Amino acid sequence: GEDVEQSLFLSVREGDSSVINCTYTDSSSTYLYWYKQEPGAGLQLLTYIFSNMDMKQDQRLTVLLNKKDKHLSLRIADTQTGDSAIYFCAETPLMNTGFQKLVFGTGTRLLVSP
Amino acid sequence: GAGVSQSPSNKVTEKGKDVELRCDPISGHTALYWYRQSLGQGLEFLIYFQGNSAPDKSGLPSDRFSAERTGGSVSTLTIQRTQQEDSAVYLCASSFNPTGADTQYFGPGTRLTVL
Repeated sequence: GEDVEQSLFLSVREGDSSVINCTYTDSSSTYLYWYKQEPGAGLQLLTYIFSNMDMKQDQRLTVLLNKKDKHLSLRIADTQTGDSAIYFCAETPLMNTGFQKLVFGTGTRLLVSP
Repeated sequence: GAGVSQSPSNKVTEKGKDVELRCDPISGHTALYWYRQSLGQGLEFLIYFQGNSAPDKSGLPSDRFSAERTGGSVSTLTIQRTQQEDSAVYLCASSFNPTGADTQYFGPGTRLTVL
């Protein structure tokens, strides 16, 4: 089945690292994504990881993938107040039609305090 | 424009009325998706269009929901006989390469409120 779970809330201080965790269920997912949603705005793609990788680093962002445990995490180094937003992970079960449907997690609200 | 645009940004309607939501994808993107975001259900996939192929409608919650994409570009999502549970933000996304690392670019959404 399709079920992506995330913790609902994370609060950190400016300058600290943030780690947002996600567990997914579909082992056919070729790519796993992290999206960011700021208040009143649409979804913005942050980064993605190919399923045969276990780590990807992109500036302040580090994605770790444990395929065996179906666990994905997003680490934000030197978290800033502008990083306050809701973060969604998404798996991509392969559909019969061949396209990648994004199945989103519940979202983690990150609050960064000065 | 440079990004995905949606209209209207907000729509308030009465229960039982029909509504149409519009999406203009990024020029050149062949794939178009509709999702909805609601408090109770989170972010759900609704429908997918790819070129001239038949759409994947597997996410539509009921036969009151339909969508079309004319000329491979603009898409309209229609909800007939709206119900209060249809209240949500309806998001449209488009992508260029739906079979690779599919970077879906999202529009700002249409907030639908059914009274």
